[in-house]
Amino acid sequence: EVQLLESGGGLVQPGGSLRLSCAASGFTFSTYAMSWVRQAPGKGLEWVSTFGGSGGGTYYADSVKGRFTISRDTSKNTLYLQMNSLRAEDTAVYYCAKTMGRIDVDHWGQGTLVTVSS
Amino acid sequence: QTVVTQEPSLTVSPGGTVTLTCASSTGAVTSGHYPNWFQQKPGQAPRALIYSTNNKHSWTPARFSGSLLGGKAALTLSGVQPEDEAEYYCLLYYGGARVFGGGTKLTVL
Repeated sequence: EVQLLESGGGLVQPGGSLRLSCAASGFTFSTYAMSWVRQAPGKGLEWVSTFGGSGGGTYYADSVKGRFTISRDTSKNTLYLQMNSLRAEDTAVYYCAKTMGRIDVDHWGQGTLVTVSS
Repeated sequence: QTVVTQEPSLTVSPGGTVTLTCASSTGAVTSGHYPNWFQQKPGQAPRALIYSTNNKHSWTPARFSGSLLGGKAALTLSGVQPEDEAEYYCLLYYGGARVFGGGTKLTVL
């Protein structure tokens, strides 16, 4: 059974940093592209970043490019999102999502809440 | 900046049929955009319904179907059930970047 468990969310001041983690199990982690998707309170889904599967490659939304970095540790089956220079508009629930290979999404985690506020 | 547009809200009667659409500001949506559709209920994580335009996941009820319609991606619900009341999002692929539609709130009334 595929399981994705996000952690690392919390309250951070504007300009601060936070690292999110997504612990994956139930599949061969290194084979599949993985994404971060966020949802601001009362708003829609926003794609944030994707780490390619075995082919590698990283992709970012313009809204986070240069501030966020996606990475993974295949020895720990964990996906990360390092978030720097955080802004109030980064406040959201951050979801980890697994693809079926490179593009199509099949499984989602339950999300972790990030609040950027002074 | 690429914008993906969905109907903000739709209402359907139980047992009825409804089609939600997903348009791209860059032009016609094609299979190369790998349209995905997701359902989200209040307080829950999204759930995948359709991938690569018209393929169902093993857990997707048969009443959901995906297609390309008039230059848009489409999600059709046939024989709508009360439990289908939810927000629906499409996701399009742009050669690396992905963009979600703004979502359609489906009311079953």
